[in-house]
Amino acid sequence: SQTIHQWPATLVQPVGSPLSLECTVEGTSNPNLYWYRQAAGRGLQLLFYSVGIGQISSEVPQNLSASRPQDRQFILSSKKLLLSDSGFYLCAWRGTGLSVPTGGANVLTFGAGSRLTVL
Amino acid sequence: GQSLEQPSEVTAVEGAIVQINCTYQTSGFYGLSWYQQHDGGAPTFLSYNGLDGLEETGRFSSFLSRSDSYGYLLLQELQMKDSASYFCAVRARGPDSGYALNFGKGTSLLVTP
Repeated sequence: SQTIHQWPATLVQPVGSPLSLECTVEGTSNPNLYWYRQAAGRGLQLLFYSVGIGQISSEVPQNLSASRPQDRQFILSSKKLLLSDSGFYLCAWRGTGLSVPTGGANVLTFGAGSRLTVL
Repeated sequence: GQSLEQPSEVTAVEGAIVQINCTYQTSGFYGLSWYQQHDGGAPTFLSYNGLDGLEETGRFSSFLSRSDSYGYLLLQELQMKDSASYFCAVRARGPDSGYALNFGKGTSLLVTP
């Protein structure tokens, strides 16, 4: 079965500090990977997506970056956090080819999320 | 540009039926999905419509009309545990973009006794 792990679950960071959020997927290969951000009481904003190792597409210009060093690893980073970076960050994956979750390739499966507070 | 519109809040009584509408504007369209999110949790997949018509999964049904750029989620026999936020999401991009989803702002459903 496929699982997605995301960490840390919660973090409080000062303005100007760096950030690294990590996401890994198990039980699948060549997944599409995504980073979303959700501000309090708001919808999900797509930040980055990746269709393969080293392939990153950015949706919103900002001080965040993403990397995919391995097939099933997706990292969200920042060199200097801003107050506006606070939010709930969600990693998600979509199966491709034969490696799809229950429900098929139309399903986006989310990790448990990382709640970031920038002070 | 792209936009998705859905009501911000809906309240319904336990055992009743509720319909959450979603209208969208998008340059590309590969399907409409619905996700449920409980407070503090991650969104979970409910349904997907790639073609016009009704899809039924237990107490939940979803409908799509591509010509009207409109869809809805129908929840029957409401239970207290159905209190959550519900998001419609458009798959506006193709395989080269990983079929990335654009989400609406969500509808907060409150089920009362």
